[in-house]
Amino acid sequence: EAGVAQSPRYKIIEKRQSVAFWCNPISGHATLYWYQQILGQGPKLLIQFQNNGVVDDSQLPKDRFSAERLKGVDSTLKIQPAKLEDSAVYLCASSRDPGRYYGYTFGSGTRLTVV
Amino acid sequence: KQEVTQIPAALSVPEGENLVLNCSFTDSAIYNLQWFRQDPGKGLTSLLLIQSSQREQTSGRLNASLDKSSGRSTLYIAASQPGDSATYLCPGNTPLVFGKGTRLSVIA
Repeated sequence: EAGVAQSPRYKIIEKRQSVAFWCNPISGHATLYWYQQILGQGPKLLIQFQNNGVVDDSQLPKDRFSAERLKGVDSTLKIQPAKLEDSAVYLCASSRDPGRYYGYTFGSGTRLTVV
Repeated sequence: KQEVTQIPAALSVPEGENLVLNCSFTDSAIYNLQWFRQDPGKGLTSLLLIQSSQREQTSGRLNASLDKSSGRSTLYIAASQPGDSATYLCPGNTPLVFGKGTRLSVIA
């Protein structure tokens, strides 16, 4: 099966600009996750979708981050305005269920540099 | 709140050695356990998935075990190779909660 697709692969922006990342999960995977990974740390969950509904966004900085999953398939994560501390790799993952039986598949990530 | 500790934080070994990576969880209520590797600048690649009814899983030179009663998992790598050099992650719970991982370097 095809993997989780993410784009762009890299992005460099100036602080206070906006940026958007796109994720296409594996076909049939109802659950989609966005993670933020700062250099030297493990990934941190930002938001979890089940189909097109939000299950958990407790760690999403809602003053500047937003995410949507239209039609329960593709998802977009947006940052506006970006700060220097947003520099990180943004990972998208999907699973057939909330991970209770099936595992997770991760995309290659988008590396964001804010200057 | 789940917290994951991975020991050691970093490991450097000569090629051919057998090695063990350890993972512990503060919340032992784990449904399944998935080990990942991450190469620098890349996404996460799944290595092994131990499902809730299993205690261990094997794939080639890799063997992972899960002890739910103690909240611990171990990844055993046999006959290590330079290509095994990466960061290894063992997140717990659903959704996944990650520790900092173990950074492995295998020297030829």
